[in-house]
Amino acid sequence: ETGVTQSPTHLIKTRGQQVTLRCSSQSGHNTVSWYQQALGQGPQFIFQYYREEENGRGNFPPRFSGLQFPNYSSELNVNALELDDSALYLCASSPPPLGSPGELFFGEGSRLTVL
Amino acid sequence: KQEVTQIPAALSVPEGENLVLNCSFTDSAIYNLQWFRQDPGKGLTSLLLIQSSQREQTSGRLNASLDKSSGRSTLYIAASQPGDSATYLCAAGGGTYKYIFGTGTRLKVLA
Repeated sequence: ETGVTQSPTHLIKTRGQQVTLRCSSQSGHNTVSWYQQALGQGPQFIFQYYREEENGRGNFPPRFSGLQFPNYSSELNVNALELDDSALYLCASSPPPLGSPGELFFGEGSRLTVL
Repeated sequence: KQEVTQIPAALSVPEGENLVLNCSFTDSAIYNLQWFRQDPGKGLTSLLLIQSSQREQTSGRLNASLDKSSGRSTLYIAASQPGDSATYLCAAGGGTYKYIFGTGTRLKVLA
């Protein structure tokens, strides 16, 4: 059974640039959630996707957007990067049925540094 | 608004000790509570999930309990080992499909 995989593992961007992070969900999981974890903090919910639609969103501005594809993989896009966007971005998948909320299985994360 | 607190923030113990990590939450209307382990610079590894209808869950040397009425969960680690050194996070899952995380307890087990 393949777990949650994320790419890239590390990346460096400059302020104002755009970034796309990718996530492949665990086999059989149809729900994907994205979390942002700043250094020394707990993860914060960005949004969740189920059946290719956004199913809930945390307190993040519209420049954070996402997609889910028919194979349940997902992308997180961040436009107009700011220094405070530097963080570990974590993707988690959950098995069906769509629970409230389902058990989370995380990938290793993408470490974004904004200079 | 749900808030999750973990005490202590850091803990250092000698190998072999039994220890308890605490997690408290302000809104008792949760669906489940999940405990995770995070190694430095890595993702989160799920340890235990407790559904709201359950009181506890066990896996190996780990036991997690849930008391919704008091807004508390505890993670008990028996016979701690140096390999248990990591940050332990709890997360409360509510009705909006998201989890609220605590800031974690950083555990160091000394050989």
